[in-house]
Parts: sequence; structure tokens; C-alpha cells
Amino acid sequence: GENVEQHPSTLSVQEGDSAVIKCTYSDSASNYFPWYKQELGKRPQLIIDIRSNVGEKKDQRIAVTLNKTAKHFSLHITETQPEDSAVYFCAASRRRQEAGKSTFGDGTTLTVKP
Amino acid sequence: SAVISQKPSRDICQRGTSLTIQCQVDSQVTMMFWYRQQPGQSLTLIATANQGSEATYESGFVIDKFPISRPNLTFSTLTVSNMSPEDSSIYLCSVGQAFFGQGTRLTVV
Repeated sequence: GENVEQHPSTLSVQEGDSAVIKCTYSDSASNYFPWYKQELGKRPQLIIDIRSNVGEKKDQRIAVTLNKTAKHFSLHITETQPEDSAVYFCAASRRRQEAGKSTFGDGTTLTVKP
Repeated sequence: SAVISQKPSRDICQRGTSLTIQCQVDSQVTMMFWYRQQPGQSLTLIATANQGSEATYESGFVIDKFPISRPNLTFSTLTVSNMSPEDSSIYLCSVGQAFFGQGTRLTVV
């Protein structure tokens, strides 16, 4: 089955700096890669996703890059703000329609210091 | 988009008992998914609930322990049976790639 590894497990940055979280996956059939933000005590929230036919996607301060050959994808957050502090999870699945059936990374706890 | 209502939001249960968690979606969906999130950890898929057929369980999860019902395209239940403290966790239902229920925080004492 799919195996998703996520690094780092914790990340601390100063407000305004950039944050990068990296994930690798093992199943070459995976073609949909969502990223979730989970604040303490709340449900995961989809923040951005990318399909395998796209190398990069950006949404305001958040971007995701995908290297399908190397089987890794990354989340980039620029101009970080204290409200970006949360746990971030990457995930991989075989089809967007079945993205509810995802394998998740172990999560990265991001702390943005004001 | 989809709105998912999950209940109960939390419960404290005695070991050996069972708890049924309900998940209601405001639109018809083919597949619903049940996840477990142990304290401080990631999400692990328990099973996929399909309407009209038996649920499909992931490795390490069995129907006797986690029976699932899917009576229609908007509703599903997950039962945690014969609970032990190791079952203390957050259980979440999900549809599609973006939508999770608010979770059920289960504590087994």
C-alpha cells in the first residue's frame, strides 16, 4: 500500500518568514495530493491540493509543488502569520474522486512566532 | 460542497461497552470514509462505507470490532465494539477530499 513520509515533524518560524513542509510517497499510482491544516480540537481543513498532471499550484500565500518522478511534493507558506500556527498534514490518494480514501503523512506542527 | 454532521461530539465510555457514531451528510454521496486519529497523531483510514454493500476495511481493522452501516446515500454509522482504553481516540467521518465531520472524541475508562 501507499506510504507517505512527512518532514519535519515540527517547524518554528518567525512571523513573516517562509515555511516549507515536504512529503514523499511510495505508490506511483497516486495522483492526487491534498494538504490539510488542523487547528487544535478542530477537524482537518483542506487548504490546497494538486493533481499529478500539474507541477505547481498557488493560492495567495500558499503553494504546493509536485515532482512526480521523485515522488515528492511540498507545501510552501510565505509571509507566515501567527494564525498559520497549526498541524499540517499531507496526503496521497489514487483518484481525486476517492480522495476521501487517503494515506496521510504524520503531520508537521508549525509554530509562527510573533 | 458538503456539510457533515457527526455525533456525538464526545463521550466517555466504560470498557467492554459499545458506542455508535453517526454521520449525516447534506447531499447524496457514493462513498463515506471513517478515520481514527489517536492523540497527537495522524489520521488512519478505518474503512470505506458504500451504500448497498459491505464496508471495505483497511488492514488492521475488522468488521467485528468496527461494524459500519450505510443505509442510504446520506448517512452512515460506525460502532466501536467491546471498547478498551486503547480505543480512546478521535473518530472522524469524511466525504470526498475536503469534508470531514467535526469528530467524536472517545475516552474509554
